[in-house]
Amino acid sequence: AQKITQTQPGMFVQEKEAVTLDCTYDTSDPSYGLFWYKQPSSGEMIFLIYQGSYDQQNATEGRYSLNFQKARKSANLVISASQLGDSAMYFCAMREGQLSQGGKLIFGQGTELSVKP
Amino acid sequence: ETGVTQTPRHLVMGMTNKKSLKCEQHLGHNAMYWYKQSAKKPLELMFVYSLEERVENNSVPSRFSPECPNSSHLFLHLHTLQPEDSALYLCASSQDPAGGPYNEQFFGPGTRLTVL
Repeated sequence: AQKITQTQPGMFVQEKEAVTLDCTYDTSDPSYGLFWYKQPSSGEMIFLIYQGSYDQQNATEGRYSLNFQKARKSANLVISASQLGDSAMYFCAMREGQLSQGGKLIFGQGTELSVKP
Repeated sequence: ETGVTQTPRHLVMGMTNKKSLKCEQHLGHNAMYWYKQSAKKPLELMFVYSLEERVENNSVPSRFSPECPNSSHLFLHLHTLQPEDSALYLCASSQDPAGGPYNEQFFGPGTRLTVL
């Protein structure tokens, strides 16, 4: 079974509107972290936002917020006031446990977001 | 230089060539990673080095050989590759290899490899 699922291969949004990118995950480890990365056409992966499994509040970073619904195992990314520069691939990722114990970052297949002027 | 750098940015090689990809991190991190990103596939973790020791090798073919001479440098040596090895190879680093789930990884720009 896939650990990270992004069901939207592509999304379109009008400039200045908000958009939600979906991500669901699967783990039995009570301690895990969820990440969102942005990958523009240049190839570099840019860290956007992090949510820990024990965090009580949804994470926010500027125009990015994470809608964390633990019982549903979903961690959707919300981008408010979309800008043309937001057009890129967006990856959801999860880390279980600690790196020293074999924990590693697992990525979803990505969602390609296109912002229309 | 800041962050994570990778050279070369683009590489075209024949199946009989030997080449190396280089990654350097200027962040004082202790863990470094190689990922492979093929078209329409999730990122695949290839190797993890923590404090210069390899801690993970995800069943990567022996034609890929990593080297981590110190905590700032990571190499991926390539030999007798196949056309299906064509992909974007991304290097990343993170602060604390023994940290918990929050262990943000900083990525380099990648090397676009084409095997003819």
